[in-house]
Amino acid sequence: SQTIHQWPATLVQPVGSPLSLECTVEGTSNPNLYWYRQAAGRGLQLLFYSVGIGQISSEVPQNLSASRPQDRQFILSSKKLLLSDSGFYLCAWSIRDYGYTFGSGTRLTVV
Amino acid sequence: EDQVTQSPEALRLQEGESSSLNCSYTVSGLRGLFWYRQDPGKGPEFLFTLYSAGEEKEKERLKATLTKKESFLHITAPKPEDSATYLCAIPYSGGGADGLTFGKGTHLIIQP
Repeated sequence: SQTIHQWPATLVQPVGSPLSLECTVEGTSNPNLYWYRQAAGRGLQLLFYSVGIGQISSEVPQNLSASRPQDRQFILSSKKLLLSDSGFYLCAWSIRDYGYTFGSGTRLTVV
Repeated sequence: EDQVTQSPEALRLQEGESSSLNCSYTVSGLRGLFWYRQDPGKGPEFLFTLYSAGEEKEKERLKATLTKKESFLHITAPKPEDSATYLCAIPYSGGGADGLTFGKGTHLIIQP
């Protein structure tokens, strides 16, 4: 069966520090991968999606970047965190529109 | 532009008190409508996908229905463990983008 792993679960980082969040998927090949952010009082916002290795599309201008070095690995990064980067980050995968499966999320607090 | 609006924002029910959550959407060419359940501090958990008007799906005390403009999540005789935020989402309709547009969710509390 397919599973998605996301870590760490919580993270507290100072302003200006770098960020790396990792997501891996098991049990499927060539999935579409996504990074979402959920801020308090707002819905889930799509940040990045990827349809293959090295292929990254960004939905909103921001301080973050994403990479997909392997088929089932998706990384969210920042060189210098801002206070506004705080939020709940979720990784997800899908095969076309046949269901989107989410990871357990990372709670990021920038202080 | 794709839009998903959920109502009410919050709903408090007594155990056993049935109700419905609403999800209205605007999209050019619906390719499915998804319902998720999200517990505090966790990722959304998939419940249902509906693809065409008139379609219905059920799971335990939940039933999802779809029309051309909205979807309803009916909760029958809810229990305290049904307390969660329920999210509705639709796939992006075009422009080469991929992913889901989410509503802000309905925060449901079932009191014993």
